Amino acid sequence: NAGVMQNPRHLVRRRGQEARLRCSPMKGHSHVYWYRQLPEEGLKFMVYLQKENIIDESGMPKERFSAEFPKEGPSILRIQQVVRGDSAAYFCASSPPFPNIGNTIYFGEGSWLTVV
Amino acid sequence: AQKVTQAQTEISVVEKEDVTLDCVYETRDTTYYLFWYKQPPSGELVFLIRRNSFDEQNEISGRYSWNFQKSTSSFNFTITASQVVDSAVYFCALSEGGWSNDYKLSFGAGTTVTVRA
Repeated sequence: NAGVMQNPRHLVRRRGQEARLRCSPMKGHSHVYWYRQLPEEGLKFMVYLQKENIIDESGMPKERFSAEFPKEGPSILRIQQVVRGDSAAYFCASSPPFPNIGNTIYFGEGSWLTVV
Repeated sequence: AQKVTQAQTEISVVEKEDVTLDCVYETRDTTYYLFWYKQPPSGELVFLIRRNSFDEQNEISGRYSWNFQKSTSSFNFTITASQVVDSAVYFCALSEGGWSNDYKLSFGAGTTVTVRA
């Protein structure tokens, strides 16, 4: 998983504030994915993005959550008006463009959001 | 419905013991991929293995081995001669629908392995 950079690693927000999590994919990777890990659970898929495009957002909560992957710069997962239930680890992953049979996605080190 | 079941929540062993982690999956697809990831106490996710549904050969990598059995929908993971550094949470995951969909992993709840010196 070397190369997928996430920041911040730890973020504390008060209820009602906004949280922004950043992800820079591995070099040469143009696909980015966000997953969420709630306490003591496995990861759950949220969204799949390519540059300037949302490909699959079937796992994104309907409200307050948004994601982007601009032409320049990192992918950003934005959570508006955070609530305590948003406290989780948010993992970003990246992969080269498909088709690329045999490749898998590689995860970053995660960003831990705590809402107080 | 849970697509990936890791029935063991926690396993504790003494160093040098072998430990087997169970993973049972559920899918109607004929093409799918199975994965194992390790999450050490530092929190990052470390990729261990990816196996497609057409390859039932068991695999060994150092002290790690995997047993894939389609007949029982299981993809078990064994650590031989465990070491303290193996202490981590281990996740089994499934992606369905072929390679174009293999970004969408369904994870099990994880098994916490503690190896005592």
